[in-house]
Amino acid sequence: NAGVTQTPKFQVLKTGQSMTLQCAQDMNHEYMSWYRQDPGMGLRLIHYSVGAGITDQGEVPNGYNVSRSTTEDFPLRLLSAAPSQTSVYFCASSYSKGLGEYFGPGTRLTVT
Amino acid sequence: AQSVSQHNHHVILSEAASLELGCNYSYGGTVNLFWYVQYPGQHLQLLLKYFSGDPLVKGIKGFEAEFIKSKFSFNLRKPSVQWSDTAEYFCAVTGGGSQGNLIFGKGTKLSVKP
Repeated sequence: NAGVTQTPKFQVLKTGQSMTLQCAQDMNHEYMSWYRQDPGMGLRLIHYSVGAGITDQGEVPNGYNVSRSTTEDFPLRLLSAAPSQTSVYFCASSYSKGLGEYFGPGTRLTVT
Repeated sequence: AQSVSQHNHHVILSEAASLELGCNYSYGGTVNLFWYVQYPGQHLQLLLKYFSGDPLVKGIKGFEAEFIKSKFSFNLRKPSVQWSDTAEYFCAVTGGGSQGNLIFGKGTKLSVKP
């Protein structure tokens, strides 16, 4: 199993640009989530999904969209990038909510 | 709202010293508790977890944690650290057992001097 994979690993955007961070898992996990990690802030939940077709907001959802058309994939879309979205983004998955998640390698995003 | 507090921002130890990292949470009901480790430049890995039963939980790499319900604490311990334990450690909690989302503490950076 590849586990949780994320692309790209690094990305630089200009303010106002949009992009999609890709996340995929091959463990047949129902629960998937996106976090952002900022220095001294820990990880904060952006959006999550408990299954295909079902998504919900986390703690810091503004400026981000998600969709879950398949069990495997959970892309995160930045609609109009802002410097405040400079962060490291981690995708994670689990068999079910609250059981402890497997994390992907992360995407380091810089918005200038 | 739930919160997780990790008392130490940065801990510096010499090899073979004992480690205890504090974690307290604010949630009065059933909780699932986790410790994650993030080695430099890497993603988070699960060290150990507690759902129910024996409050002393053993994890990977010689780590253990003790759940003390009356103190709302889940401290991480290791009797003798190694240089390779240098990493950032995150405590996390889901409130309501498996109902809640994972809430992370802000992390404790551990530096182990050889």
